[in-house]
Amino acid sequence: GQQLNQSPQSMFIQEGEDVSMNCTSSSIFNTWLWYKQDPGEGPVLLIALYKAGELTSNGRLTAQFGITRKDSFLNISASIPSDVGIYFCAGGSGGGADGLTFGKGTHLIIQP
Amino acid sequence: DGGITQSPKYLFRKEGQNVTLSCEQNLNHDAMYWYRQDPGQGLRLIYYSQIVNDFQKGDIAEGYSVSREKKESFPLTVTSAQKNPTAFYLCASSEMATNEKLFFGSGTQLSVL
Repeated sequence: GQQLNQSPQSMFIQEGEDVSMNCTSSSIFNTWLWYKQDPGEGPVLLIALYKAGELTSNGRLTAQFGITRKDSFLNISASIPSDVGIYFCAGGSGGGADGLTFGKGTHLIIQP
Repeated sequence: DGGITQSPKYLFRKEGQNVTLSCEQNLNHDAMYWYRQDPGQGLRLIYYSQIVNDFQKGDIAEGYSVSREKKESFPLTVTSAQKNPTAFYLCASSEMATNEKLFFGSGTQLSVL
């Protein structure tokens, strides 16, 4: 099946720093979604991308659909303590959530 | 408030026992999904249902069973055939079968005694 490589696996940053993470694949996807998961909770959708080259923001978060359709990037500006959690990317075919492939997540840790 | 409710939050299974995880949604979504999450891993699809009284196997359906008798409910049974059931189980829904935006419940942690 399709696989996503999400990196980095974990990040240790200082409050106020900007954060960048990405997902890459050898396969083409028609949609990219980014989720955040707090400990012991379910993931929450942050941003959905539907078009190659698309750049979408949600507050301090910005995500991009790579022009090759094989990658996507998520940036967080001016990190705050509540940004701590695990960020997942998911690539889709556009045909339904049963076709989503999830990355293994980037664990964001903010040091005081 | 609309959402997805999973219960219980923590569940313990004895060897040879079947256990059922509950998932209820009041979002009026057509499609519902069960995922398994292991530490440091992505989400893996167990079963999904696009419409009432119909469901399909996902990538790791062996040792699990589901039913979809009502639109709002999609319970997951972890059978004794599932030899490694310890994991965090997530239920999700989407508005339509073709919609990839998933709304997740808060999860059930299943452990083996």
